[in-house]
Amino acid sequence: QVQLQESGPGLVKPSETLSLTCTVSGVSFSTYSWSWIRQPPGKGLEWIADIYYSGSTNYKPSLKSRLSISVDTSKNQFSLRLSSVTAADTAVYYCAKPLGDGAFDIWGQGTMVTVSS
Amino acid sequence: QSALTQPASVSGSPGQSITISCTGTSSDVGGYNYVSWYQQHPGKAPKLMIYDVSNRPSGVSNRFSGSKSGNTASLTISGLQAEDEADYFCASYTSSSTRVFGGGTKLTVL
Repeated sequence: QVQLQESGPGLVKPSETLSLTCTVSGVSFSTYSWSWIRQPPGKGLEWIADIYYSGSTNYKPSLKSRLSISVDTSKNQFSLRLSSVTAADTAVYYCAKPLGDGAFDIWGQGTMVTVSS
Repeated sequence: QSALTQPASVSGSPGQSITISCTGTSSDVGGYNYVSWYQQHPGKAPKLMIYDVSNRPSGVSNRFSGSKSGNTASLTISGLQAEDEADYFCASYTSSSTRVFGGGTKLTVL
């Protein structure tokens, strides 16, 4: 059974860097690509980025200058770093497994990150 | 990269059918058969209901169906049940190798 679990600080100060990790279990990690998605309180879903098993990445253009995602295959983990955060980055952050270029078939439970001083 | 357009809300009575639309452009919905639909109950993670326009994952009720015409995709739920009350989101792959979600539709079962 494939499971994804997000982890990281729930509170980040404005202008600092938000860092989250997604731990994957139950699947051959290096075979697939992986994604980050977020959802501000009371709002819709927003795709953030993909990282492929090859290490290549695709980022949401409006976030690209502040965003970095990476994989650690030895730990079956992939990570998100979003710099210079503001209150607008407050959201539930989900990690997910996409079916190639298609749907997200497996989701983590999500982790709430609040940007506040 | 604009969000796909969905109605903010739809409603229906138990047993009825409803359809939720998802309108994009030829660079996303119209250009690829990578449209998917998600159901989200309050406080829960989204659940995949339809992938590749019209395919249902194992375990999803056959009351849920998807289709596409031009730049608009649709999710139809037949035989509405109380547990179908939730938010629904569409998503698509895009020509920029990115992904885009719809704004979401709140389904109310009357």
